[in-house]
Amino acid sequence: DGGITQSPKYLFRKEGQNVTLSCEQNLNHDAMYWYRQDPGQGLRLIYYSQIVNDFQKGDIAEGYSVSREKKESFPLTVTSAQKNPTAFYLCASSIRGVTAQHFGDGTRLSIL
Amino acid sequence: QQQVKQSPQSLIVQKGGISIINCAYENTAFDYFPWYQQFPGKGPALLIAIRPDVSEKKEGRFTISFNKSAKQFSLHIMDSQPGDSATYFCAASIGSGGSNYKLTFGKGTLLTVNP
Repeated sequence: DGGITQSPKYLFRKEGQNVTLSCEQNLNHDAMYWYRQDPGQGLRLIYYSQIVNDFQKGDIAEGYSVSREKKESFPLTVTSAQKNPTAFYLCASSIRGVTAQHFGDGTRLSIL
Repeated sequence: QQQVKQSPQSLIVQKGGISIINCAYENTAFDYFPWYQQFPGKGPALLIAIRPDVSEKKEGRFTISFNKSAKQFSLHIMDSQPGDSATYFCAASIGSGGSNYKLTFGKGTLLTVNP
């Protein structure tokens, strides 16, 4: 079955540590997105990419970095510069030119 | 600046009743309005979506009503069931004919349907 796989499901970060969240899709979608979800805050866009080797900052990109070396993969790194990283992180993808986005089941990041 | 305002934050409905969730937007350039359903520990799933050239769209028990002049749209869930208990998000984007497909989300509504 086609879909979006996020791993790990739970992740813990130590102070000063960078961590990388994985997102893989086999839907052959061109565009991929990362959102952060906090209780009562809805979803906020961190980064998005519409084609390989290109990505743009979303509304809350500070403290995060991404890469898009392959069409099916869009990993997100939460750097030590992100002072409040505890959240539920969601990856999504869509066909370029169509705005329906399909989501993975998220990674919950916590601070040790 | 919150571009999509969603209400209520939470909603309790009896089984068989109608659930109504409302959203208002500010940017008149928005041209795509989806609703997502999210269960605990899962990612949001697209439920139904509408474009501003129609005033209503129905899929099963779910209906979107759209009022372009008022810049408002709403989700109606008819014959609400306990299995509908979830968080619902409205969203909006500018996408038609352009290259920007960013979705702006409302803050969500936690729906509880009592048996």
